[in-house]
Amino acid sequence: NAGVTQTPKFQVLKTGQSMTLQCAQDMNHNSMYWYRQDPGMGLRLIYYSASEGTTDKGEVPNGYNVSRLNKREFSLRLESAAPSQTSVYFCASSRIYEQYFGPGTRLTVT
Amino acid sequence: GQSLEQPSEVTAVEGAIVQINCTYQTSGFYGLSWYQQHDGGAPTFLSYNALDGLEETGRFSSFLSRSDSYGYLLLQELQMKDSASYFCAVMNSGYSTLTFGKGTMLLVSP
Repeated sequence: NAGVTQTPKFQVLKTGQSMTLQCAQDMNHNSMYWYRQDPGMGLRLIYYSASEGTTDKGEVPNGYNVSRLNKREFSLRLESAAPSQTSVYFCASSRIYEQYFGPGTRLTVT
Repeated sequence: GQSLEQPSEVTAVEGAIVQINCTYQTSGFYGLSWYQQHDGGAPTFLSYNALDGLEETGRFSSFLSRSDSYGYLLLQELQMKDSASYFCAVMNSGYSTLTFGKGTMLLVSP
C-alpha cells in the first residue's frame, strides 16, 4: 500500500497563476483533509471532506477550492496564487481518530 | 474556537526523560492526539487519549486530564532519532477534524 500520495513534490508559481495539488489514498478512508504548514504556525486546516461528495471549510479556506473526485482522490486548487500562499501543503486521510499524512508539496509563489 | 499552548522548544540529552506539556481551550472536545514530525517529513501519529489517564506505547506515554484541559507526552530513554517536532492536537466534535498546536521542537544531544 502506498498510503497517501501527493503530486507535485515541489512547485514554483508566479503571482496570479493557478494550479491544482493532487492527493490520493489507498486505505479506503472516508475522511480526507488539506493542511498548510508555515514556520512557527503548526498545521492549519484549509478544507476537509468527511465523505465522498461532501466538503467543508476549515480554518483558512480563503483563496482555495477543493474537489472530492471520488473516495480515493481529493484535490486542492489555487485559482490565483499569491505570495501569502507560499507554504508546505499536506494532504491527510483518517480512520476514526488517526490521521495519515502524505509527503507534502512545497509551494513557492513569487 | 480552539487554542492550544505548548512550549516552542525543549532540549535534553540521550537516555534522559522529557515531558512536553499541552494545554487547550476548546468547545467540543473528543480527545487529544500527539504527532511527530521530523525535519522535512510528514507528521506521523503517536497517540490518542479520549479518557483521563496515561496511555503507554513503548518508550512514549501520553496523559490527559479533561478537567484541567491539560495533557502531556512523555518520552523515555531518549535517542538521537527522537529529535523532531511534536504537535498536540484536539479532536473536535464528531471525530471530524483536528486542531493542532504550534509544535514543540525537541533537540536531543549526545
